[in-house]
Amino acid sequence: DTEVTQTPKHLVMGMTNKKSLKCEQHMGHRAMYWYKQKAKKPPELMFVYSYEKLSINESVPSRFSPECPNSSLLNLHLHALQPEDSALYLCASSQETGSGNEKLFFGSGTQLSVL
Amino acid sequence: SQQGEEDPQALSIQEGENATMNCSYKTSINNLQWYRQNSGRGLVHLILIRSNEREKHSGRLRVTLDTSKKSSSLLITASRAADTASYFCATDTDSSYKLIFGSGTRLLVRP
Repeated sequence: DTEVTQTPKHLVMGMTNKKSLKCEQHMGHRAMYWYKQKAKKPPELMFVYSYEKLSINESVPSRFSPECPNSSLLNLHLHALQPEDSALYLCASSQETGSGNEKLFFGSGTQLSVL
Repeated sequence: SQQGEEDPQALSIQEGENATMNCSYKTSINNLQWYRQNSGRGLVHLILIRSNEREKHSGRLRVTLDTSKKSSSLLITASRAADTASYFCATDTDSSYKLIFGSGTRLLVRP
């Protein structure tokens, strides 16, 4: 199984809602990532988890809260988002981090619209 | 922050032609990777080239790396309509393992 599965595929939420994005992989990867991608732009790194511990937070606003319950699961909790947070949110995993030659496996993403 | 700039931003070619995309980056790297993204989908890893390598092939793909110029190129030979996608280079610096993506090239292959 070389898949990274993200749910939901599409999400529309109001600025007062609380929602969660979910990501799952069963490749035994120990590093998991959240990226945010606006239309016609490259993915921007948000968070990196290594061995279930948060290792990188790219100064992301606290309205985005990541969680890694176990080595296969990664969540992104959303609260009080702004319309400018509308984007494609991509989850990725890799075998490790820090080796300098990590290939990332990406999920198909969650297309988020904040109204 | 964006590490790489890609050129051209958009490229339109006829099926069967070759497509060349270029990537320039700013700081020393451990390796450089190329990814493909179909519209609204996740990214797919294509090829990784290490900083001590100059050229690498994978099927119809050929990647070159010139660390003295801090640049890389991706050549797709005998393009197909199915190659229509956005292509991104990505680098991790020698002081960080964060993978940072370049600005991307949108490739359209006309049947």
